[in-house]
Amino acid sequence: NAGVTQTPKFRVLKTGQSMTLLCAQDMNHEYMYWYRQDPGMGLRLIHYSVGEGTTAKGEVPDGYNVSRLKKQNFLLGLESAAPSQTSVYFCASSFYSLPSGYTFGSGTRLTVV
Amino acid sequence: AQTVTQSQPEMSVQEAETVTLSCTYDTSESDYYLFWYKQPPSRQMILVIRQEAYKQQNATENRFSVNFQKAAKSFSLKISDSQLGDAAMYFCAYTGTASKLTFGTGTRLQVTL
Repeated sequence: NAGVTQTPKFRVLKTGQSMTLLCAQDMNHEYMYWYRQDPGMGLRLIHYSVGEGTTAKGEVPDGYNVSRLKKQNFLLGLESAAPSQTSVYFCASSFYSLPSGYTFGSGTRLTVV
Repeated sequence: AQTVTQSQPEMSVQEAETVTLSCTYDTSESDYYLFWYKQPPSRQMILVIRQEAYKQQNATENRFSVNFQKAAKSFSLKISDSQLGDAAMYFCAYTGTASKLTFGTGTRLQVTL
């Protein structure tokens, strides 16, 4: 099993450009999450999904959109990238029940110049 | 909203010695889980240990153990017989009925010879 796969692993964007980060999981998990990690701030929740076709805002949702058209995929979009969105992005997934455990992807390092 | 606080940005321990990382949390829920995650330079999030709030017994995984004080809302991690491979960022995290992980800001652990 691949677990949680994030693509791409690295990306450099110019201010104002758009891009989509893809998260794919093969564990049949209901819940999926997008986090960003910044120095000294830990991991902060951007958006999450409790099932196919559903999404919800997390702690820092501004500037991001998400979609979950298929249960195994969770997409994070940046419509107009800003330097403040320079970060490492992590996707995670879990079953619905406590606490079954969370599986993380290996992260995407995004730099906006 | 739940919060997780790690008050030690950096810690250092000599090889073979014992170190304790601190974590406090705030919640009004009675049913929740607490985790410690390790993040080495590879960026991968690795589950170290988890604790169910309803269990009074402290969780233990080999050289890693926790001191869970529910009334004080404290959840510290003890690493015994520290090894060079233990050097990493350590994150304390909480999840409750909303099934979202809330992280602390992390503690960077250095292991010296």
